[in-house]
Amino acid sequence: DTGVSQNPRHKITKRGQNVTFRCDPISEHNRLYWYRQTLGQGPEFLTYFQNEAQLEKSRLLSDRFSAERPKGSFSTLEIQRTEQGDSAMYLCASSPRWERGPSYEQYFGPGTRLTVT
Amino acid sequence: QKEVEQDPGPLSVPEGAIVSLNCTYSNSAFQYFMWYRQYSRKGPELLMYTYSSGNKEDGRFTAQVDKSSKYISLFIRDSQPSDSATYLCAFNAGNNRKLIWGLGTSLAVNP
Repeated sequence: DTGVSQNPRHKITKRGQNVTFRCDPISEHNRLYWYRQTLGQGPEFLTYFQNEAQLEKSRLLSDRFSAERPKGSFSTLEIQRTEQGDSAMYLCASSPRWERGPSYEQYFGPGTRLTVT
Repeated sequence: QKEVEQDPGPLSVPEGAIVSLNCTYSNSAFQYFMWYRQYSRKGPELLMYTYSSGNKEDGRFTAQVDKSSKYISLFIRDSQPSDSATYLCAFNAGNNRKLIWGLGTSLAVNP
């Protein structure tokens, strides 16, 4: 399977704990996005990478959230001191280099469902 | 005013019906218009995208964009139970970055 993969698929944690999610984009896609989605809502943009550079962060991404994409391949999203309001589906998407297809086409992974108790 | 408005439904139709899904938007900078389908507990998958006003057809799906009215539609012909999902409209201003999403419309096609 050469699609976007995310791990873990589900994470249950206690309030105050730190969690880290991983996203592996489609090979050779240089753009990577993180979104958060709660029930009955569309995805909310969190952050965007082009290669290893983090080019945009939403104001939703508080100081407790950090994302990295070392070497421009996989990406990690870390949430420190989790709160119950962080419970959501965290989605990762990637899109190809401009010359290989429209970069507004985003391909999504299955998501990581986080539950904070 | 919200940047994107989409009726969340739910919408329930019999198998074989024609389904019409709609979104309105307020940002004139939007250049790309997309429809995604999302099954329960899965990530969204791109169904169709359009760049300009007019219609685009792909099998049973037709996407329609009216830039003058800031209104986009997705039509599904001969709807099937497998079409039961949430349909999300999404917009991009052509800056290669984030998509702006509607809430999604929940569709159930009953056999």
